Amino acid sequence: QKEVEQNSGPLSVPEGAIASLNCTYSDRGSQSFFWYRQYSGKSPELIMFIYSNGDKEDGRFTAQLNKASQYVSLLIRDSQPSDSATYLCAVEGSARQLTFGSGTQLTVLP
Amino acid sequence: DAGVTQSPTHLIKTRGQQVTLRCSPKSGHDTVSWYQQALGQGPQFIFQYYEEEERQRGNFPDRFSGHQFPNYSSELNVNALLLGDSALYLCASSFRDRGNSPLHFGNGTRLTVT
Repeated sequence: QKEVEQNSGPLSVPEGAIASLNCTYSDRGSQSFFWYRQYSGKSPELIMFIYSNGDKEDGRFTAQLNKASQYVSLLIRDSQPSDSATYLCAVEGSARQLTFGSGTQLTVLP
Repeated sequence: DAGVTQSPTHLIKTRGQQVTLRCSPKSGHDTVSWYQQALGQGPQFIFQYYEEEERQRGNFPDRFSGHQFPNYSSELNVNALLLGDSALYLCASSFRDRGNSPLHFGNGTRLTVT
């Protein structure tokens, strides 16, 4: 069983729509969760991190965490073509190493 | 304020050869971690260095080794290269004792083994 699972996609949404990206994790003791965006051929770029149950908003991005269900999600409001990328969910381990999912490829259609 | 810098950007090696990749952490960061990202996959943790010692290691063979220098910069060495070692190698830095200090990644080194 993979430790961090994401739907690989591809996920396509029209410009201006809400994109919803989901992630589940297996280690119930995990405390810190991260979303990275990765453009093709580039390195991952941190978008958001979340530590507490509930929602955390930053501009057009909202991260949602439900530790009881071991579920993390990222919502992108008013999606733009420039949001087209692979989105990586990551869970932090005890030594602060990250375990990544395989990523969800998002395409925002103009 | 320079971010994480890695060199070289690209590298082509032959099976059986050895390679050294280099990383300078973001200013103020004292911990360096290395990740391997194969095509179409998420990054996989190789190891982490702090105070010039390997502190944590992922599921990688001993062919992968590293070093951290007193200025916090780091090297990743891979011996006896295999075709399967072809990947993007990412260095990330952080401040170990500061809570809520997310990893910052460098631009990576693209290694191709032929």
